[in-house]
Amino acid sequence: KNQVEQSPQSLIILEGKNCTLQCNYTVSPFSNLRWYKQDTGRGPVSLTIMTFSENTKSNGRYTATLDADTKQSSLHITASQLSDSASYICVVSAKGSTLGRLYFGRGTQLTVWP
Amino acid sequence: NAGVTQTPKFQVLKTGQSMTLQCAQDMNHNSMYWYRQDPGMGLRLIYYSASEGTTDKGEVPNGYNVSRLNKREFSLRLESAAPSQTSVYFCASSALPGFDNQPQHFGDGTRLSIL
Repeated sequence: KNQVEQSPQSLIILEGKNCTLQCNYTVSPFSNLRWYKQDTGRGPVSLTIMTFSENTKSNGRYTATLDADTKQSSLHITASQLSDSASYICVVSAKGSTLGRLYFGRGTQLTVWP
Repeated sequence: NAGVTQTPKFQVLKTGQSMTLQCAQDMNHNSMYWYRQDPGMGLRLIYYSASEGTTDKGEVPNGYNVSRLNKREFSLRLESAAPSQTSVYFCASSALPGFDNQPQHFGDGTRLSIL
């Protein structure tokens, strides 16, 4: 069964600290993995997209890594800011799947305290 | 640059009422999608449209219908609303069919409550 699991479910950190969010997936055959940021009351916004051949991708203070062998990804946030408080969603697509079939994780709710 | 615009932002319905959620994108994207997001669950695809004139069912299509009115607009209709359809509905678009290296752009959602 194709699934995407994220951990932790929620996380509280102090402003300025770093953190790492995890994503494990069983989607096969793998096409790409993306991380989205969803602010409260807003729609998700794409942070990174990685294909099979990419094992790291950065977007400012956000760095995503991908290990396609172990089917794991992580999102590392450096020097956190209050505006990083949001839900972070891991999404995986399967190669050859019909259009529209993405597998969404349930998200990690990150809270950054001053 | 508006991106993906959804209307209304909030709506309360009574069981059995009907309504249409509107979505428009100004990015000249070919593909559009409707999702629902429930507490503690990942986004689930209701319907999608690969291109103007085509629509297909997603993971949870029961109780919904869609119309791809033109390239810009993709509407979602609830014919007879049920409390189980209380959710936040998101519309999204992407440039081309398929997902390789293409982000989806999401609207800010319609919060729908059915009493």
